[in-house]
Amino acid sequence: DIVMTQSPDSLAVSLGERATINCKSSQSVLYNSNKKNYLAWYQQKPGQPPKLLIYWASTRESGVPDRFSGSGSGTDFTLTISRLQTEDVAIYYCQQYYSTPYAFGQGTKLEIK
Amino acid sequence: EVQLLESGGALVQPGGSLRLSCAASGFTLSNFAMSWVRQAPGKGLEWVSAISSSGRSTYYADSVKGRFTISRDTSKNTLYLLMNSLRAEDTAVYYCAKDLEGTDEALLDYWGQGTLVTVSS
Repeated sequence: DIVMTQSPDSLAVSLGERATINCKSSQSVLYNSNKKNYLAWYQQKPGQPPKLLIYWASTRESGVPDRFSGSGSGTDFTLTISRLQTEDVAIYYCQQYYSTPYAFGQGTKLEIK
Repeated sequence: EVQLLESGGALVQPGGSLRLSCAASGFTLSNFAMSWVRQAPGKGLEWVSAISSSGRSTYYADSVKGRFTISRDTSKNTLYLLMNSLRAEDTAVYYCAKDLEGTDEALLDYWGQGTLVTVSS
């Protein structure tokens, strides 16, 4: 089974500053035949279901602000929020959909400093 | 507009059974893979089960394999999760979620609001 590990567990960033969340998979999630990384990022605000932000490691979901970006390949990935806004306070999860069981990371709680 | 509405959550005793439903609207269930994902109180997300777009393949987390069964009724456009031999550690909000179009691997672009299952005596 692929294990997803995020760092840090929590993060406090000033408004307008950059936030960076890391995600590491225990095995590569890069599918060689199509050169796609089977890695997604979700945002979850209190009392709400998760929301898909990024998929294929770097493709932004429709309607997601361009301050959100994803990068990385193989086993190491990063979610970057370039200019933190108050509405970005949430818990962020990475998820691999390369193989079952489709594991999530433990989550990173993002707060305003 | 895509909507997913879960129901069926309840308080149930250990060892009991429960069936969750997820009524889908705004899209045709038979064209998409679907998943159940759960979240224990104050904890992170755990993928539970998935059914392929064809309906022929089902997948389960080890923690529920042999106890939970995912299914769908395309005539009712509804997804189900039958949960047997429930344990205290199954207590969670259960979300149903839809796969992004063109994928069959739990890349989840729409989620329901969730239904709470509590396993306790």
